Amino acid sequence: AQKVTQAQTEISVVEKEDVTLDCVYETRDTTYYLFWYKQPPSGELVFLIRRNSFDEQNEISGRYSWNFQKSTSSFNFTITASQVVDSAVYFCGLGSNFGNEKLTFGTGTRLTIIP
Amino acid sequence: DGGITQSPKYLFRKEGQNVTLSCEQNLNHDAMYWYRQDPGQGLRLIYYSQIVNDFQKGDIAEGYSVSREKKESFPLTVTSAQKNPTAFYLCASSIGSGDTYYEQYFGPGTRLTVT
Repeated sequence: AQKVTQAQTEISVVEKEDVTLDCVYETRDTTYYLFWYKQPPSGELVFLIRRNSFDEQNEISGRYSWNFQKSTSSFNFTITASQVVDSAVYFCGLGSNFGNEKLTFGTGTRLTIIP
Repeated sequence: DGGITQSPKYLFRKEGQNVTLSCEQNLNHDAMYWYRQDPGQGLRLIYYSQIVNDFQKGDIAEGYSVSREKKESFPLTVTSAQKNPTAFYLCASSIGSGDTYYEQYFGPGTRLTVT
């Protein structure tokens, strides 16, 4: 069975601080993919990133960066120089490379950036 | 603009009544999905459809029904058999599914309250 754990339920940081959101996963699949979505107060989920299990390269996109480590089954997300607009609920998730209908989401981390 | 439309944003019903949630997309996506979101539980898959006139049950299909008569539309009916229907419902779509992963794009959601 697949499982995604986001142990941080809520995080608050002051604007311009860096913040890391943790994500730990469990799967028996040999190939899989991981992803992050952002859910702002408006409700819709916004896709941020997808990473295949065979690609352990870390990725940076502006102020966002992701650290994928298969050895620890983690896919952590860091926001550098946080801004108020980053306030949202962030979901980490896991899917199989043999059909994306079976996505497993974590329970989310609510991030609040204090101005 | 291309996107996914869910209506209404808020829906109120009396217990024992069936209610249908609308989901329309103009992205020309083949696959569509319905998720349920409860506080602290992340997203759970209710139903998905990979092609017109075909759909499959997700993890929590009991008490729900769907139809896929048109590529653009994937309505969800919450029946009176659903024991705890109050939740936030999210519709998503993707280019395809199967053995290739495509990002899922989400609608703004419908918040259903049953009393």
